[in-house]
Amino acid sequence: EPEVTQTPSHQVTQMGQEVILRCVPISNHLYFYWYRQILGQKVEFLVSFYNNEISEKSEIFDDQFSVERPDGSNFTLKIRSTKLEDSAMYFCASRLAGGRGDTQYFGPGTRLTVL
Amino acid sequence: KQEVTQIPAALSVPEGENLVLNCSFTDSAIYNLQWFRQDPGKGLTSLLLIQSSQREQTSGRLNASLDKSSGRSTLYIAASQPGDSATYLCAVDPLTGANSKLTFGKGITLSVRP
Repeated sequence: EPEVTQTPSHQVTQMGQEVILRCVPISNHLYFYWYRQILGQKVEFLVSFYNNEISEKSEIFDDQFSVERPDGSNFTLKIRSTKLEDSAMYFCASRLAGGRGDTQYFGPGTRLTVL
Repeated sequence: KQEVTQIPAALSVPEGENLVLNCSFTDSAIYNLQWFRQDPGKGLTSLLLIQSSQREQTSGRLNASLDKSSGRSTLYIAASQPGDSATYLCAVDPLTGANSKLTFGKGITLSVRP
């Protein structure tokens, strides 16, 4: 069964460094998402992406964050200058084109630790 | 602003018991509601999706119901097994916006004792 994959599974970085989290959505999906989950807290929406542009972003998704679909398969989340509070599990999700009723399929996540 | 609540935060039951997990949401203007399973340190696995026009969905031993007017959903697990031990999250997709944007509850951590 097709699945969303994410790399790396765990990323450790120093405060102020740039990180890029990578996702390969399911191949025929056209809608892409990033969510994050701080330890012990709710999963929070960050950004949605369709047709090579951001559809919607949350207030968390400030100028330090950016997303890109550099080729036909990858979907990346970049954090320009990481802060301690960016430490979280980051989930990528994708959805098939079609109605809003389609399921979002989530990847296994990347655990980001900022020291 | 949509708020999703799941109470209790944790539940422990003996194997074989039928159980109900509750989810409530404050804004009934939703497109659909999804139930997910999350194993410790892992990603989210979609279990069931209920469209706003539907009342329930079933998959194997799982049955999810939706009462949009009262802002409630339940996930019924029949004949629970130790392998059902995980955190169960519900998430709602709002009616507004150009794209889906799930709002999650904090989840219910279920432990099924052998």
